[in-house]
Amino acid sequence: DVKVTQSSRYLVKRTGEKVFLECVQDMDHENMFWYRQDPGLGLRLIYFSYDVKMKEKGDIPEGYSVSREKKERFSLILESASTNQTSMYLCASSLETVSYEQYFGPGTRLTVT
Amino acid sequence: ELKVEQNPLFLSMQEGKNYTIYCNYSTTSDRLYWYRQDPGKSLESLFVLLSNGAVKQEGRLMASLDTKARLSTLHITAAVHDLSATYFCAVLAFTSGTYKYIFGTGTRLKVLA
Repeated sequence: DVKVTQSSRYLVKRTGEKVFLECVQDMDHENMFWYRQDPGLGLRLIYFSYDVKMKEKGDIPEGYSVSREKKERFSLILESASTNQTSMYLCASSLETVSYEQYFGPGTRLTVT
Repeated sequence: ELKVEQNPLFLSMQEGKNYTIYCNYSTTSDRLYWYRQDPGKSLESLFVLLSNGAVKQEGRLMASLDTKARLSTLHITAAVHDLSATYFCAVLAFTSGTYKYIFGTGTRLKVLA
């Protein structure tokens, strides 16, 4: 079974802090994604990566950056956390072929105070 | 603007009844995915529909895809309490020079005993 893990289930940070969210997948998937999930808005794509050291902006990249130094690991960075970044963050991975479904991690619920 | 709309957004139904969730999308795509999310948990893949007319069934759930109408349906037969969850559809769209998964806002299903 594909396993996607995220470094924290719950995180509380202060406004202005730099926040790192880590995601690791164990099935050699090429594609990795970061989403945020907010009530009534569904899932919105922040960034994605099709290969090591490659990244593409999603629909809401402002205030975020990402890093993919190894194939299995995709990090989301909040450079200076703000209260409007309080959300559930979901990481996902998929095989290279675009037809394949995504496998999601358990999510990180981030609260910025 | 790429849109994926689900309806209804909320659905409360009695055990044993049938119902259909609809997923309309605004872009050309022949790749559609259905996911389930239990409260406090992440998304789990249910169905992958890869062509016009595709139909897939698993237990009491059946999904279909009509790419000409840009419509997918998730039909629930003889609902049971265990089906209570939020259901998301997602389409794979080619936009801004790359492929992206676009998610609907979700349908929250509650099956009453």
